[in-house]
Amino acid sequence: DGGITQSPKYLFRKEGQNVTLSCEQNLNHDAMYWYRQDPGQGLRLIYYSQIVNDFQKGDIAEGYSVSREKRESFPLTVTSAQKNPTAFYLCASSGTGASNEKLFFGSGTQLSVL
Amino acid sequence: QKEVEQDPGPLSVPEGAIVSLNCTYSNSAFQYFMWYRQYSRKGPELLMYTYSSGNKEDGRFTAQVDKSSKYISLFIRDSQPSDSATYLCAMTFGANNLFFGTGTRLTVIP
Repeated sequence: DGGITQSPKYLFRKEGQNVTLSCEQNLNHDAMYWYRQDPGQGLRLIYYSQIVNDFQKGDIAEGYSVSREKRESFPLTVTSAQKNPTAFYLCASSGTGASNEKLFFGSGTQLSVL
Repeated sequence: QKEVEQDPGPLSVPEGAIVSLNCTYSNSAFQYFMWYRQYSRKGPELLMYTYSSGNKEDGRFTAQVDKSSKYISLFIRDSQPSDSATYLCAMTFGANNLFFGTGTRLTVIP
């Protein structure tokens, strides 16, 4: 089945530690996105990538980094510079052409600070 | 002022009721309107997609867009306990720039 796979489902970060969240898709989509979801704040865009080896900052990119070495993979690293990392992180993808506004989401990763 | 405003609820209704969920927005350039359903600790799934103004129906769900009032709605007929979830509205004037509401939590009581 085609879809977006995020791992791990739960992740714990120690102070000063960098952690990486995985996102893989087999939908043959070019564009991929990372969102952060906090209670009462909706979804906020962290980074997005429209093609391999290219990505752009979203609204809240500080303290995060990404890479896009392969079309199907878009990992997100939460660095030690992100002082409030506890949140639900969602990866999404979209196709090109007609209806490319439609986002398809993974099942999310809950990141918590120890 | 936020780009998209959505009442967070929570909203509780008895099974079989008609549910009305709404969002208002400020940017008249928005052309594409979506509703996502999100179960607890899961990713949002696309429920309805509408381009420009008008109505769209899919089974028990109807999406309405009124661009003159900058107002969109999602109606759920004959609501079921399985409809209990958070509903997010989203809209954009083009790809890579989707604006989300904060979500309305709905509980359908058996």
